[in-house]
Amino acid sequence: DIVLTQSPLSLPVTLGQPASISCRSSQGLVNRDGYTYLHWFQQRPGQSPRHLIYRVSNRASGVPDRFSGSGSGTDFTLKISRVEAEDVGVYYCMHGTQWPFTFGPGTRVDIK
Amino acid sequence: EVQLVESGGGLVQPGGSLRLSCAASGFAFSSYWMDWVRQAPGKGLEWVAHIKEDGSDKYYVDSVKGRFTVSRDNAKNSLYLQLNNLKVEDTAVYYCARDPNWGAGPWGQGILVTVSS
Repeated sequence: DIVLTQSPLSLPVTLGQPASISCRSSQGLVNRDGYTYLHWFQQRPGQSPRHLIYRVSNRASGVPDRFSGSGSGTDFTLKISRVEAEDVGVYYCMHGTQWPFTFGPGTRVDIK
Repeated sequence: EVQLVESGGGLVQPGGSLRLSCAASGFAFSSYWMDWVRQAPGKGLEWVAHIKEDGSDKYYVDSVKGRFTVSRDNAKNSLYLQLNNLKVEDTAVYYCARDPNWGAGPWGQGILVTVSS
C-alpha cells in the first residue's frame, strides 16, 4: 500500500500569514494513464471533509484562490497564502492512484 | 444542488449487521465511481470501499474484506454498504463520497455506526 506522510502534524498560524503543508508518498503517484491522483481535503471542526484540490493543483469550485497545490512524483505541497479564521481545521492529503486509496495522517491548522 | 445523504446507521452489538444507504442527487450518479469512507472517533480518514459506475468492479480495504459489501442501484441513484460481522473497531462515522479522481465531488454529512455490547 502507498503510505502518505504529512508535515507538520500541527501548524499554529498567525492570521494573515502564509501556511504550508507537505505530503510525501512512499512511491510515485503517477498513474499508468499519466495523471497524478493526489488530492487535498479540508475538514473543519464538526464537519464532513471537503475536497479542496484535485489532481495536485486543481482548485475545486468555490475554493478561495489563497489555496494552492503543487508538486510531482512523491513530494506535494498545499499552501495557504494568507490564513483566515475559517481555515482552521485538519488538512489531509490523499491518493487515488491505485487501490487502496489512502490518506495522510492529517495536519491540524489553528490560529496562534 | 449536488448532494449525498446517508442513512441507516445506529448502535449494533459485535457480530451484528447494518445496511447503510446513500441517496445521491444533482449529478449523473450512474456516470461515477462511488465510495465509502470512514472516520473512527477522533481519528483520521480511511477509504473503505470503491464501486465502479455499473457495479461490475468493487474494491475493499483489507480490514473489511469478506464482511462488508458495497452495491448500487443506478435507477434509484443510491449507494449501499452492507456491514456484517461487525467489530468494535468498525465504530466510525461513515461517509458516502464521489470518486475524487475526476474532480472535487460531494461528500455526505456522515452517519454514525457504533458497535458495542
